Amino acid sequence: GAVVSQHPSRVICKSGTSVKIECRSLDFQATTMFWYRQFPKQSLMLMATSNEGSKATYEQGVEKDKFLINHASLTLSTLTVTSAHPEDSSFYICSALPGEGYYSNQPQHFGDGTRLSIL
Amino acid sequence: LAKTTQPISMDSYEGQEVNITCSHNNIATNDYITWYQQFPSQGPRFIIQGYKTKVTNEVASLFIPADRKSSTLSLPRVSLSDTAVYYCLVGDWWGNQGGKLIFGQGTELSVKP
Repeated sequence: GAVVSQHPSRVICKSGTSVKIECRSLDFQATTMFWYRQFPKQSLMLMATSNEGSKATYEQGVEKDKFLINHASLTLSTLTVTSAHPEDSSFYICSALPGEGYYSNQPQHFGDGTRLSIL
Repeated sequence: LAKTTQPISMDSYEGQEVNITCSHNNIATNDYITWYQQFPSQGPRFIIQGYKTKVTNEVASLFIPADRKSSTLSLPRVSLSDTAVYYCLVGDWWGNQGGKLIFGQGTELSVKP
């Protein structure tokens, strides 16, 4: 149980393109999902918290107009990298916190990440 | 959110028990301790979670002393496939931080034949 599916697993596109990444909780509902970014040989960096039905909360230094997050249902959150440039190339990972309400005593479950390469 | 400190790397041999200790001096009353494993180009995988004392599951044990300022992940009889980065995280699951997790540098475990 507790499977999080992230799609696509890899994207290669030209500079200026917008890219959408989907994160789905397959066998549980998640009011809250998170988006992380990871550069090679580095740890995960939290980008934003996505709450179903409300605006995402972005961490300091993360451009909300560059990284659009939509959490329209209890099982799906999307991250759109708008007008992507080479410096946006990275490994993007989502996670979902089980629970239908705001509070949860269960651990986050992570997707397998999306490797984004901007040429 | 409590900051965590772990050794950057550890080496072990197949069949040995590995203990990775994490320091979290500023842990709060509501905080749980969770450990994740990450292989290259994959998302972190949940290993174990605890609040105090000892927790054991089919893959690991987690030891938490009474003051909860540290925790130790114990992996029994490691194999080559346990080579990965291990993250210790402290998170408030009861809503004050919305379940937010801040990853530290993790411990890169290398298991040799």
